[in-house]
Amino acid sequence: DAGITQSPRHKVTETGTPVTLRCHQTENHRYMYWYRQDPGHGLRLIHYSYGVKDTDKGEVSDGYSVSRSKTEDFLLTLESATSSQTSVYFCAISETNTEAFFGQGTRLTVV
Amino acid sequence: AQSVTQPDIHITVSEGASLELRCNYSYGATPYLFWYVQSPGQGLQLLLKYFSGDTLVQGIKGFEAEFKRSQSSFNLRKPSVHWSDAAEYFCAVAPIYNQGGKLIFGQGTELSVKP
Repeated sequence: DAGITQSPRHKVTETGTPVTLRCHQTENHRYMYWYRQDPGHGLRLIHYSYGVKDTDKGEVSDGYSVSRSKTEDFLLTLESATSSQTSVYFCAISETNTEAFFGQGTRLTVV
Repeated sequence: AQSVTQPDIHITVSEGASLELRCNYSYGATPYLFWYVQSPGQGLQLLLKYFSGDTLVQGIKGFEAEFKRSQSSFNLRKPSVHWSDAAEYFCAVAPIYNQGGKLIFGQGTELSVKP
């Protein structure tokens, strides 16, 4: 299995609080992604990174920011969590456009 | 706009029966095509992928998929389903000149297997 670790695996937070999710990889892959998974929507891309300090928005980026200061770490921050951001968040990595490997997911509940 | 459609939200089949999960895509050119499987509480695992060449692709766990350009489809099949195949299945596409694995997913099809 690809070396991808997401932390935390589960989190409950209150509306309006900041939240940071971490994705750590040991594969030295160039590309990293954050997706959210919601029933009936499959997985939707939030943000992605194509190198250290190089990031771009995906289709559902509003309310989220990311940072990548090291190849191995990609952080997703919810500046002020809302109930609509309750979801399962997946990190993925890839070296080329031929295959992406996914982490185990983080279940976030905003109450 | 680019999109992937999985028409069946939920399918139930009997163990030992054959399976076909449908996937249609809308894209300007033939993209790279993927099928992923997700077991409950787990991440996604790649079943198979199509880039070019033979339109019938073999994957892991006995799955195969057939690319039909004329129908913009990439349906997943398995001749005999096992109880352990119960999971959610996602079809995904990526543009050929995509930087990295930036995927567009379908909504998913949940597969239940009856004993």
